[in-house]
Amino acid sequence: AQKITQTQPGMFVQEKEAVTLDCTYDTSDQSYGLFWYKQPSSGEMIFLIYQGSYDEQNATEGRYSLNFQKARKSANLVISASQLGDSAMYFCAMREGRGFKTIFGAGTRLFVKA
Amino acid sequence: NAGVTQTPKFQVLKTGQSMTLQCAQDMNHNSMYWYRQDPGMGLRLIYYSASEGTTDKGEVPNGYNVSRLNKREFSLRLESAAPSQTSVYFCASRVFDEQFFGPGTRLTVL
Repeated sequence: AQKITQTQPGMFVQEKEAVTLDCTYDTSDQSYGLFWYKQPSSGEMIFLIYQGSYDEQNATEGRYSLNFQKARKSANLVISASQLGDSAMYFCAMREGRGFKTIFGAGTRLFVKA
Repeated sequence: NAGVTQTPKFQVLKTGQSMTLQCAQDMNHNSMYWYRQDPGMGLRLIYYSASEGTTDKGEVPNGYNVSRLNKREFSLRLESAAPSQTSVYFCASRVFDEQFFGPGTRLTVL
């Protein structure tokens, strides 16, 4: 069965430093997609980054990059040069194959300190 | 271009009451989804619709029904609300590998 695990309930980072949010996954599919979403205190869900299981290069979107290690089944989110506005909940998610179902991890709350 | 809209934003129900949560998207996406988010947890898929005219169960479908009225609209119905259905409900639509979420409906069942 598919599973997403985020082991860090909360993380602190100093403004302007980089931070890594951990995500491990479990699936028997060869084809799958991995996502990260941000949920600020206002509650909306914001798509950050996507990595396909066959993508050879790690995905990057501005200050966000996804450290994809297929053999270890990990898909960690790296945020460079943290900003106060990065304080939020972050969710890792996975979609199996070319299907429609997406499962989410429990999330990591990131606090950026000035 | 409003994206994904949901109504209502807030709702309080008594146990046993029924209600329908409305969702609409104006991005011409085929796939639409309903999730619930409980405190301290990630989103769990209730139902999804891969395309107009089709619906399928997700992880937690019990106690809910859905209708894909047309390509734009996907509604979620609680026939007999229970306190366990107190949650924040998100609707989403999808194109390729990106889901676009609505602002959510905060539902409390007393």
